[in-house]
Amino acid sequence: DTAVSQTPKYLVTQMGNDKSIKCEQNLGHDTMYWYKQDSKKFLKIMFSYNNKELIINETVPNRFSPKSPDKAHLNLHINSLELGDSAVYFCASSPTLGNTEAFFGQGTRLTVV
Amino acid sequence: QQQVKQSPQSLIVQKGGIPIINCAYENTAFDYFPWYQQFPGKGPALLIAIRPDVSEKKEGRFTISFNKSAKQFSLHIMDSQPGDSATYFCAARTSMFGGTSYGKLTFGQGTILTVHP
Repeated sequence: DTAVSQTPKYLVTQMGNDKSIKCEQNLGHDTMYWYKQDSKKFLKIMFSYNNKELIINETVPNRFSPKSPDKAHLNLHINSLELGDSAVYFCASSPTLGNTEAFFGQGTRLTVV
Repeated sequence: QQQVKQSPQSLIVQKGGIPIINCAYENTAFDYFPWYQQFPGKGPALLIAIRPDVSEKKEGRFTISFNKSAKQFSLHIMDSQPGDSATYFCAARTSMFGGTSYGKLTFGQGTILTVHP
């Protein structure tokens, strides 16, 4: 059973479209994250949620909107996609906010054409 | 502003060699320093981690050395194997004194390690 699962694994879409990436964790963790990994493999946090509450919101364009319906799910919706949004997006979870032993999903490779 | 600087960017060693990856930080609000290993097409996976009150931690063939006064830490891989070929990331966590950034992991730029047979 996959601990942190993301769908889809690959996403190719045109500029201007709106898309969503879903994430689910079955570890019983309280905290979930979205990270972006660019073409140079640099990993940067975008958001973190703790028990459905937004904790960290980095300087991310407001076209990106996370939603956490419950503490096991954290979805990422992206409006008006731009070429620069092309990257691999990773969902992760950790037991608590203070315990950052983060478990990462397999990633979603987003390509905007 | 890059708060965690990692070097080298890439590293090639022969099997059995001891690759060393270095990281440096500036933010004194960091309180936990993990290393992650990432294979192509996979998410990063926690390898080993250290807290600043310890100068060295060893788990199997992986050792972290930590120098609090210099704000530097490094990963050593003993008896490296071709299966260790991956990208390695150091990271640092913002402590509760970091305010709204509490729990945030800041990653280094990554080191691509290749171990030749």
